[in-house]
Amino acid sequence: GAGVSQSPSNKVTEKGKDVELRCDPISGHTALYWYRQRLGQGLEFLIYFQGNSAPDKSGLPSDRFSAERTGESVSTLTIQRTQQEDSAVYLCASSSGGLAGRRSYNEQFFGPGTRLTVL
Amino acid sequence: LAKTTQPISMDSYEGQEVNITCSHNNIATNDYITWYQQFPSQGPRFIIQGYKTKVTNEVASLFIPADRKSSTLSLPRVSLSDTAVYYCLSGSARQLTFGSGTQLTVLP
Repeated sequence: GAGVSQSPSNKVTEKGKDVELRCDPISGHTALYWYRQRLGQGLEFLIYFQGNSAPDKSGLPSDRFSAERTGESVSTLTIQRTQQEDSAVYLCASSSGGLAGRRSYNEQFFGPGTRLTVL
Repeated sequence: LAKTTQPISMDSYEGQEVNITCSHNNIATNDYITWYQQFPSQGPRFIIQGYKTKVTNEVASLFIPADRKSSTLSLPRVSLSDTAVYYCLSGSARQLTFGSGTQLTVLP
């Protein structure tokens, strides 16, 4: 079946502009995650959506970052007034559930990412 | 917040068994340990998950000692295509920490 898709695959923008990144999770997956990965570094958790619960925004680095998700479908990550340090690959993942039982978490399926370059 | 520590890099040769060990600080009683693999320009891919003792699947084995303060990912007979970054994670879904991972390079 279809995996997680993200668009655009690449985005080049000028400092100060706003950008919007899109994630289409696997159908039926209730949990959705956004991560940021700077060049040569690990993944940095940004935000987590689980069903209709309030999202966990604890990883968002500043108030310039926001994300929305409509029900259990598409999510958009918005970065306002982009800065050069925002340049990174932004990865989205979905899973069939979040916390469950012994706090195991279901396998996350990642999209290919959006490479953002802020000039 | 759960934190993991693993070697930055490892080299191996084709056909060898590779073991990558990860330390888990502050692992909670009910947290599972999960390993992911990431190739360049791709998102991470789930490899294996366990709670304690040993778990084995078609790709790898995961060894977790009784105190659960560490885990070891074992890759049998690696090939060149196993060259990737390997991440270990522990913690809840809301507080995932991937860390910098271990860059495994398999040499011919």
